[in-house]
Amino acid sequence: DAGVIQSPRHEVTEMGQEVTLRCKPISGHNSLFWYRQTMMRGLELLIYFNNNVPIDDSGMPEDRFSAKMPNASFSTLKIQPSEPRDSAVYFCASSRGTSGNQETQYFGPGTRLLVL
Amino acid sequence: RKEVEQDPGPFNVPEGATVAFNCTYSNSASQSFFWYRQDCRKEPKLLMSVYSSGNEDGRFTAQLNRASQYISLLIRDSKLSDSATYLCVVIAYGQNFVFGPGTRLSVLP
Repeated sequence: DAGVIQSPRHEVTEMGQEVTLRCKPISGHNSLFWYRQTMMRGLELLIYFNNNVPIDDSGMPEDRFSAKMPNASFSTLKIQPSEPRDSAVYFCASSRGTSGNQETQYFGPGTRLLVL
Repeated sequence: RKEVEQDPGPFNVPEGATVAFNCTYSNSASQSFFWYRQDCRKEPKLLMSVYSSGNEDGRFTAQLNRASQYISLLIRDSKLSDSATYLCVVIAYGQNFVFGPGTRLSVLP
């Protein structure tokens, strides 16, 4: 079975450019999560969706970040304009149910973003 | 005080040693607990859930102490392949996963 798929795996961009990260959750999973991981702050939840609907975006750092889930098999996280402090590994995860966040989350391989 | 705290390590232990990590949490309403493992430059993967009565999976034992608000992970007969960062996860009802900062383990030959 395919796991969570993320693209690109690596992204290097210049400050001010738009960055779009993509995620395909595991088929049949109803919840999708976007995380950011840095050495300083660890793993932080940015936003999560249940049945394609954003439930909690309180972790989104600022208006430069936006996320969408147009259908059950695709989500994007966009940063516009990007800044050097956005450099991090961005993980997408999915879980089977919609009963809050109590269920096991399966992570994708991550996108390593470097903003110069 | 952070919601979830872990000793960052690194814990450097020889092969075959027994090693234990603790993870403390501040929210007394926390209900679900997990241990995840993250290899260098890889994604976190579920290692095991933590049940109230404690649970064991091969060489790994997880325990929960609600009174003192901590969970623990014990690894017996450690292998080189156990080298990784171990993240605890704490969830209060209706809340999101809260990951600890992780404890780094290096098992040495």
